Amino acid sequence: EAGVTQFPSHSVIEKGQTVTLRCDPISGHDNLYWYRRVMGKEIKFLLHFVKESKQDESGMPNNRFLAERTGGTYSTLKVQPAELEDSGVYFCASSPRGPSTDTQYFGPGTRLTVL
Amino acid sequence: KNEVEQSPQNLTAQEGEFITINCSYSVGISALHWLQQHPGGGIVSLFMLSSGKKKHGRLIATINIQEKHSSLHITASHPRDSAVYICAVPRSGTYKYIFGTGTRLKVLA
Repeated sequence: EAGVTQFPSHSVIEKGQTVTLRCDPISGHDNLYWYRRVMGKEIKFLLHFVKESKQDESGMPNNRFLAERTGGTYSTLKVQPAELEDSGVYFCASSPRGPSTDTQYFGPGTRLTVL
Repeated sequence: KNEVEQSPQNLTAQEGEFITINCSYSVGISALHWLQQHPGGGIVSLFMLSSGKKKHGRLIATINIQEKHSSLHITASHPRDSAVYICAVPRSGTYKYIFGTGTRLKVLA
């Protein structure tokens, strides 16, 4: 069974540009989560999808970030326009059910560098 | 103060040593997750436990729910164990994970 995949693995862009990150969860997992780790800080929750619906987007830092999950399969996270402080590693995770005891399976992450 | 605290932040060990990484949390939880992040960046799930102890190969994880504390032990450590080990807890009744800052482990040959 394929795990959670993310694309690209690394993205380097200039301040003001747009970047779109993609996450493909494990097939059949309704729950998809986005997290971010900025340099020197702990990983922080960004948002949670249940199928195509945003269950909770309280962790999204501002309106420059837009997440979508059309069709309830893969998800994209767009940053527009990117700022220097957006640099970090963006992780995606998925789980089949979603209660707190359900293991979340993490992807390899996308390292975003904004110059 | 972070709701999930890990210690030590950095750890260097010689190959073969027994290693302990600690995690303390202040929120109510139903389970705790240990994750491993390798230098390439990807995160691997090691354990999810809600009580007692779990063992997988040379890795052992224990949790004491009453004391809100968990430990990750590595027996006979090896350079390939070098990674960042992260403790994560879902806040009770939610799916939101709260993460520790991680413990950076380096095992020298």
